[in-house]
Amino acid sequence: DGGITQSPKYLFRKEGQNVTLSCEQNLNHDAMYWYRQDPGQGLRLIYYSQIVNDFQKGDIAEGYSVSREKKESFPLTVTSAQKNPTAFYLCASSRVTGAVSSYEQYFGPGTRLTVT
Amino acid sequence: GNSVTQMEGPVTLSEEAFLTINCTYTATGYPSLFWYVQYPGEGLQLLLKATKADDKGSNKGFEATYRKETTSFHLEKGSVQVSDSAVYFCALRGGGGADGLTFGKGTHLIIQP
Repeated sequence: DGGITQSPKYLFRKEGQNVTLSCEQNLNHDAMYWYRQDPGQGLRLIYYSQIVNDFQKGDIAEGYSVSREKKESFPLTVTSAQKNPTAFYLCASSRVTGAVSSYEQYFGPGTRLTVT
Repeated sequence: GNSVTQMEGPVTLSEEAFLTINCTYTATGYPSLFWYVQYPGEGLQLLLKATKADDKGSNKGFEATYRKETTSFHLEKGSVQVSDSAVYFCALRGGGGADGLTFGKGTHLIIQP
């Protein structure tokens, strides 16, 4: 079955440590995205990538970094500079050819990060 | 910039009641509109979408019509079930690029038997 996997489902870290969240997709999508979800806030875009070796900042990129070395993978690093890292993190992917705006994004199951 | 406003929750209904969740948007150009559903502890699943004015998206008994004149995309279902209890997100995607979705804050729906 095609889909998006995120691991681990739950992640715990001490304040001051960097942590990397995994996202892998086998949908052959060019575009991948990272969102952050906080209670009552909806989803906010952190970073996105339309092609390998290229990515753009979203609305709340400060304190985060990404890489896109393979089409299938888009890991997100939450750095110690992120002031409020505890949140639910969702990865998504989408097609990018043709009528791009009409294409839905497919989401992974999410990783819940808790930093204490 | 783009924005989405949807009704605050939680919305509590009895089984078999009629459901409406309001969604209005602000966007330049001609966005595509989406409803996603999220069950506890899970990611988002696409429920339905509409890509141009007057289009109606439908799935699993849910419907929403893209109304450009009122910039709205209200979600409706004629008879809800306990299994419909979840958080529902309205979202839009602007024309032109492969950038991200703009989401509303979500509406928590609770269906009581």
